[in-house]
Amino acid sequence: DIQMTQSPSSLSAFVGDRVTITCRASQAIRNALGWYQQKPGQVPKRLIYAASTLQPGVPSRFSGSGSGTEFTLTISSLQPEDFATYYCLQYSGFPFTFGPGTKVDIK
Amino acid sequence: EVQLVESGGGLVQPGGSLRLSCAASGAALSDLNIDWVRQAPGKGLEWVGRSGNKVNSYTIQYAASVKGTFTISRDDSKNLVFLQLNSLKTEDTAVYFCADLGAVPTDSWGRGNLVTVSS
Repeated sequence: DIQMTQSPSSLSAFVGDRVTITCRASQAIRNALGWYQQKPGQVPKRLIYAASTLQPGVPSRFSGSGSGTEFTLTISSLQPEDFATYYCLQYSGFPFTFGPGTKVDIK
Repeated sequence: EVQLVESGGGLVQPGGSLRLSCAASGAALSDLNIDWVRQAPGKGLEWVGRSGNKVNSYTIQYAASVKGTFTISRDDSKNLVFLQLNSLKTEDTAVYFCADLGAVPTDSWGRGNLVTVSS
C-alpha cells in the first residue's frame, strides 16, 4: 500500500503569511494527488486535483505542485477563512490513502 | 451536479451490524464511482472503499482495515450504494461519508452519517 506523510503536522501563521504544506508518497504516484480542506464539523472540501489543478470556485491563492513522490500545497496569502486542517489524498492505486493532516491555526 | 445523501447510521453494540446507504441524484449511478470515507472523532480521514462504476466493471475495492468485515454493494435501479458494517468494534465509531472522489472538475460528498459502536 502507498503511505502518505505530511509535514508539518501543524503550524501557526499570521493572516497574510505564505504557507506551504508538503505531502510525500512512499512510492511514485505520478500526479494522482488531491488536496482537501476541512473545518471542524464540516465536510472535506477538495481544493486541488491532479496535483496542481484548482477545483472551480477555489480561490487562486491556493496552488499545488509536484509529481512522483513529493507534493506541495501553497497558500500565497493566508486569509482568516483558511484556518483549517488540510489533507492530501493519493488515488494512484488502491487502496487510496489520505495523509494524516496538517492543522493550520492562528498565530 | 451530483448530490449524495447518507442514511442508516446510529448506535450499535460491539459485534453488531449496520447498513449505511448512499443515495445519489443528479446523475445515473451506473456512471459514478462511489467511495466511502470515515473519520473517527478528532481523527483524520480514512478511505474505506469504493464501488466502481459500469465502465470499471463495478469493481469493488477495500482498505485493508475493513476487508472481510465491511461489504460494499449497489443497486443502480434505485440509485443506492450500500456499506454493510459487520463485526463492529468501538474503533469503527466514526462519521461515514460517501463521496465521488474521482469526479472532475468538481467532486461530491454527502454530509456524513455517524456510527457509534458502544455497549
